[in-house]
Amino acid sequence: DGGITQSPKYLFRKEGQNVTLSCEQNLNHDAMYWYRQDPGQGLRLIYYSQIVNDFQKGDIAEGYSVSREKKESFPLTVTSAQKNPTAFYLCASSMRFGDDPTGELFFGEGSRLTVL
Amino acid sequence: AQTVTQSQPEMSVQEAETVTLSCTYDTSESDYYLFWYKQPPSRQMILVIRQEAYKQQNATENRFSVNFQKAAKSFSLKISDSQLGDAAMYFCAYRSVLRGVSGYALNFGKGTSLLVTP
Repeated sequence: DGGITQSPKYLFRKEGQNVTLSCEQNLNHDAMYWYRQDPGQGLRLIYYSQIVNDFQKGDIAEGYSVSREKKESFPLTVTSAQKNPTAFYLCASSMRFGDDPTGELFFGEGSRLTVL
Repeated sequence: AQTVTQSQPEMSVQEAETVTLSCTYDTSESDYYLFWYKQPPSRQMILVIRQEAYKQQNATENRFSVNFQKAAKSFSLKISDSQLGDAAMYFCAYRSVLRGVSGYALNFGKGTSLLVTP
């Protein structure tokens, strides 16, 4: 079945440590996204990538980094510079805008990061 | 930047009844897409329904329908014959154009938590 796989589902980190969240998709989508979800805040865009080897900052990119070396993969690193990293992180993908003008996103099941 | 506002943090409905969730948005674009996503306790985001701004007819998917008022920038979701499985967080979203690249992202509201009681 096609879909998006995020790992790990739950992650605990000590303050000052970097952590990388994995996101893999087999939907053959060109675009991939990372959103952060906090209670009462909705979903906020961290980074997005429309094509391999290219990515752009979203609304809350500070303290995060990404790479897009393969079409299928878009890992997110939460660095020690991120002041409030405890959150639920959602990865999503979509077709290239020329192929699907709606912009519909397909989501993974999310990763819950807790900083101790 | 486009903003999406969901003014009801929580709503409650009895089984088999109808409930309407509100959403307003702000944009200067003439063509765009709007979405409702559902996030059950599993936290998997599921597309409920979408609407293209150019289409006059309100979208419908089984028990889910929208009331799209373009001039008022309003996009409410109506759930008919509510079921226990409808209990979830519902997010309204607007498709925005990304800066500097040819592509889109979704801007989300803060969500409405729907409780369904027997």
